[in-house]
Amino acid sequence: EAGVTQFPSHSVIEKGQTVTLRCDPISGHDNLYWYRRVMGKEIKFLLHFVKESKQDESGMPNNRFLAERTGGTYSTLKVQPAELEDSGVYFCASSPADGHNYGYTFGSGTRLTVV
Amino acid sequence: AQSVTQLGSHVSVSEGALVLLRCNYSSSVPPYLFWYVQYPNQGLQLLLKYTSAATLVKGINGFEAEFKKSETSFHLTKPSAHMSDAAEYFCAVSDQGNTGKLIFGQGTTLQVKP
Repeated sequence: EAGVTQFPSHSVIEKGQTVTLRCDPISGHDNLYWYRRVMGKEIKFLLHFVKESKQDESGMPNNRFLAERTGGTYSTLKVQPAELEDSGVYFCASSPADGHNYGYTFGSGTRLTVV
Repeated sequence: AQSVTQLGSHVSVSEGALVLLRCNYSSSVPPYLFWYVQYPNQGLQLLLKYTSAATLVKGINGFEAEFKKSETSFHLTKPSAHMSDAAEYFCAVSDQGNTGKLIFGQGTTLQVKP
């Protein structure tokens, strides 16, 4: 089966600009997660979708971040306007309903650099 | 709150030597535990997972981990390191709530010397 696909793989933008990251989960996976790793820190949870609904967005840093999952398929994460501290690697992961036992499949990540 | 601690941000071993990467967790309920590996310029790959079945879990590439409840540990081992094992390794615990989100340790970079 195709894995979790993220694009772009790299993005360099200026402070104040807008960037949209995309994640295509494994087909049929209802659960979709976004994580972020800021340099030197641990990977941290941002939010969780079940199909098209936000189940948990407790990790979203602030209202400059907006995630959507229209139709319960792919998801986008928009940062507007971007700040320097938003730089990092953004990971997407998906799982079927029983993620605990199945495990979570991660994409290769998007490396975002805000200059 | 659940948390994960990986002891040692960098571990260096010689090729053929034992690999031991340490992970301790805190959880008020029986946890689901995972080890992921990230090779350079790649995403996170699942190595193995503990889901309350056998306490000794075997994963890919010759890795295994043992769940020890009394020590709240889930250390990752491999009997003989290979150069291709050089990567960053992450231990994670799954949130017991409805979300199933993962809580990660800080990561351990494994260096394998020839």
